Amino acid sequence: DTGVSQDPRHKITKRGQNVTFRCDPISEHNRLYWYRQTLGQGPEFLTYFQNEAQLEKSRLLSDRFSAERPKGSFSTLEIQRTEQGDSAMYLCASSLVGVNTDTQYFGPGTRLTVL
Amino acid sequence: AQKVTQAQTEISVVEKEDVTLDCVYETRDTTYYLFWYKQPPSGELVFLIRRNSFDEQNEISGRYSWNFQKSTSSFNFTITASQVVDSAVYFCALSEAFRTGNQFYFGTGTSLTVIP
Repeated sequence: DTGVSQDPRHKITKRGQNVTFRCDPISEHNRLYWYRQTLGQGPEFLTYFQNEAQLEKSRLLSDRFSAERPKGSFSTLEIQRTEQGDSAMYLCASSLVGVNTDTQYFGPGTRLTVL
Repeated sequence: AQKVTQAQTEISVVEKEDVTLDCVYETRDTTYYLFWYKQPPSGELVFLIRRNSFDEQNEISGRYSWNFQKSTSSFNFTITASQVVDSAVYFCALSEAFRTGNQFYFGTGTSLTVIP
């Protein structure tokens, strides 16, 4: 499978715990995006990387959220001291920057439930 | 302000009927991209089409067709002869390519149910 993969697919945690999600983009893609999607809404942008550089962060990304892409390949999204409001689907997407190639391809998502 | 509006929250059609999903967008940029994605119950967003702002030609792909009209800032999606497998949530998205690194702005989605 050469698509975007995410791990885990589901995560249930208790309020106050830390969680970390992983995203593996399509191998030749240099941009990687994180989105959050709540029930009945479209995905909302959180942050994106070009290679290993994190170039933009949304105001939605509080100080409890941190993302890394250490070698320009896979990325991790960590949420510290989770809150019930963090319950959502976290989606990762990747794209290849260039003419006609900036379409974002999405992974299956990680569904987080904070009890 | 909402950059992408999908006014139809839910639509139900009987199999083999045609259905059009509406999308209205808002941008000040002259260069932008519009997309449609399908999200089946499994949750993964599936890319359907990409259209840039300089290409107003309508497109047809099998039972799917798209109507892009800059004059009304709309990018509507029609499914002809709908099938049960078309049941999903469909999202329209806008990317202002030179502003924020291709960040996507999604609409709230239209949930389509095709009844057999």
